[in-house]
Amino acid sequence: AQSVTQLGSHVSVSEGALVLLRCNYSSSVPPYLFWYVQYPNQGLQLLLKYTTGATLVKGINGFEAEFKKSETSFHLTKPSAHMSDAAEYFCAVSPNSGGSNYKLTFGKGTLLTVNP
Amino acid sequence: EAGVTQFPSHSVIEKGQTVTLRCDPISGHDNLYWYRRVMGKEIKFLLHFVKESKQDESGMPNNRFLAERTGGTYSTLKVQPAELEDSGVYFCASSFRTGGWGNEQFFGPGTRLTVL
Repeated sequence: AQSVTQLGSHVSVSEGALVLLRCNYSSSVPPYLFWYVQYPNQGLQLLLKYTTGATLVKGINGFEAEFKKSETSFHLTKPSAHMSDAAEYFCAVSPNSGGSNYKLTFGKGTLLTVNP
Repeated sequence: EAGVTQFPSHSVIEKGQTVTLRCDPISGHDNLYWYRRVMGKEIKFLLHFVKESKQDESGMPNNRFLAERTGGTYSTLKVQPAELEDSGVYFCASSFRTGGWGNEQFFGPGTRLTVL
């Protein structure tokens, strides 16, 4: 069974500071990896995903994440936080093959606060 | 293009009552998913429709939950009778495909269900 651990349910950064949201997964084989963001009163929006190929993935709004197989990690970063980045972020995985590759397994989420 | 919509946005009911949640997927998306987030826990997969057929309902908690997708368009999720532990946010998502290109799941804003 797959599982996702997000370290830190709440992360607070200053505007302009580095954003680092941690995600580790447990899976018998490397899964597909995703980061979603949820802004208040909105649905989850896909920030970026890793399936195959280059392990550094760039997403929307200046975010990127690096798949590290040896560390079973997929941490999300942004060099400079903006007030508009305040939201809840979810790391998710799905099987990379087989009939259930649609089934997303989520972490508990990390609430990002950006201070002026 | 309209996104995934869900109705109602909030529902407060008493234990033992019945509630029906509705999801309208993005037009043309054959795949529809229901997920649930119980307070303080992960977002968890409930089930997957392809058109009007249930492909995977492995995440449905028990037989008090009934999902339908008549005609392969909108879907409803009925909880009858509701229990306290059913409280949470119910998300709907849709995708064009389940694998490869077009498999991104687009999420609705969720329905927050409170059972008193």
